[in-house]
Amino acid sequence: ETGVTQTPRHLVMGMTNKKSLKCEQHLGHNAMYWYKQSAKKPLELMFVYNFKEQTENNSVPSRFSPECPNSSHLFLHLHTLQPEDSALYLCASSQDLLRGGEAFFGQGTRLTVV
Amino acid sequence: DAKTTQPNSMESNEEEPVHLPCNHSTISGTDYIHWYRQLPSQGPEYVIHGLTSNVNNRMASLAIAEDRKSSTLILHRATLRDAAVYYCILVNYGGSQGNLIFGKGTKLSVKP
Repeated sequence: ETGVTQTPRHLVMGMTNKKSLKCEQHLGHNAMYWYKQSAKKPLELMFVYNFKEQTENNSVPSRFSPECPNSSHLFLHLHTLQPEDSALYLCASSQDLLRGGEAFFGQGTRLTVV
Repeated sequence: DAKTTQPNSMESNEEEPVHLPCNHSTISGTDYIHWYRQLPSQGPEYVIHGLTSNVNNRMASLAIAEDRKSSTLILHRATLRDAAVYYCILVNYGGSQGNLIFGKGTKLSVKP
């Protein structure tokens, strides 16, 4: 148990569906991240939030829409996805990577788009 | 973030030490060296980090070269549970953001 909880753990959705991934941490961290891990590829950083403000968007398609209502919760809203979006989506949080701190990752949501 | 180079894979025998190398020849003076690992079907987990001096914790040791252009993660006695992908990542503490950018890492196999 890392202190970062992701729900659901598994999700199967059609290309016309709308779904949301949820991430929650009660570690008192100020930064939260979304990563995508496709089969046999390195983790790709998607979005970064610091103090609820988005500070990074790595050219992610608009069919992925993040939301950070407070420092403890992070959502990834999904709509009209493609089969190639099937992947493991990982959430992480950290207090201060800039001072050599560590990041804590959730177990991930395994997403399958059919 | 500066790049790191790691071997794609390594093998070890159970209960023997493992030395996982990482080259980071373009490291800057404000880059921390972080190591994470990812066990099968799990998210990455923090292992250790350092700046200039060697570091030890309950999981591993980190040996940093004097010129900081390379480092080595040392697992003192490998167990089957240590089989994972190990990532060496540089995080710039002088920048505006301290994001973790993952490469391909080293896949460590541990034989009983």
